[in-house]
Amino acid sequence: AQTVTQSQPEMSVQEAETVTLSCTYDTSESDYYLFWYKQPPSRQMILVIRQEAYKQQNATENRFSVNFQKAAKSFSLKISDSQLGDAAMYFCAYRYNNNDMRFGAGTRLTVKP
Amino acid sequence: DAGVIQSPRHEVTEMGQEVTLRCKPISGHDYLFWYRQTMMRGLELLIYFNNNVPIDDSGMPEDRFSAKMPNASFSTLKIQPSEPRDSAVYFCASSLFRSVNQPQHFGDGTRLSIL
Repeated sequence: AQTVTQSQPEMSVQEAETVTLSCTYDTSESDYYLFWYKQPPSRQMILVIRQEAYKQQNATENRFSVNFQKAAKSFSLKISDSQLGDAAMYFCAYRYNNNDMRFGAGTRLTVKP
Repeated sequence: DAGVIQSPRHEVTEMGQEVTLRCKPISGHDYLFWYRQTMMRGLELLIYFNNNVPIDDSGMPEDRFSAKMPNASFSTLKIQPSEPRDSAVYFCASSLFRSVNQPQHFGDGTRLSIL
């Protein structure tokens, strides 16, 4: 069974600093997709970044980047130059083929001014 | 493009009442998912449809829960009778089959409170 683990229930970062959120997953598949979603207090689920497992290059979207370590089954999210608007719950998610998406328990990120 | 539309945004009702949550997926999307989010259990997949057909309903907690998708543009999640432990945020999401690497697009959720 595929599972996703986010070991940090809460994280805090100073505005303009960098923070890394951890995610590990368990799968026997070789081809799959990984995502990070952001859920602000408005409770919308907003896609932040995605990564295809067959791509070795780490995905980057502006201030957001991932460190994808396939052998270690690790998929961390780095937020650079943190902004107050980055404060939210962040969910790591795994998707294989067209089956359902498996979510981690989430990490609550606080950004201090 | 219009996103996934859910209604109502908030629902407060008394225990024992029937509750119906509604979802309109993004036009052209052929997968539709219903999730429940609680503090204790996080995001749980309840059921998902492909081309209006239920594929996996193993996440539906009890027979009190039922979901339908009568056409490609509408789905409902019904709870009858409702109980206080059903209180949660319910999300609907949709995605495309042909683009496996595409994410699921979520609605804004329905916050359900059962008194």
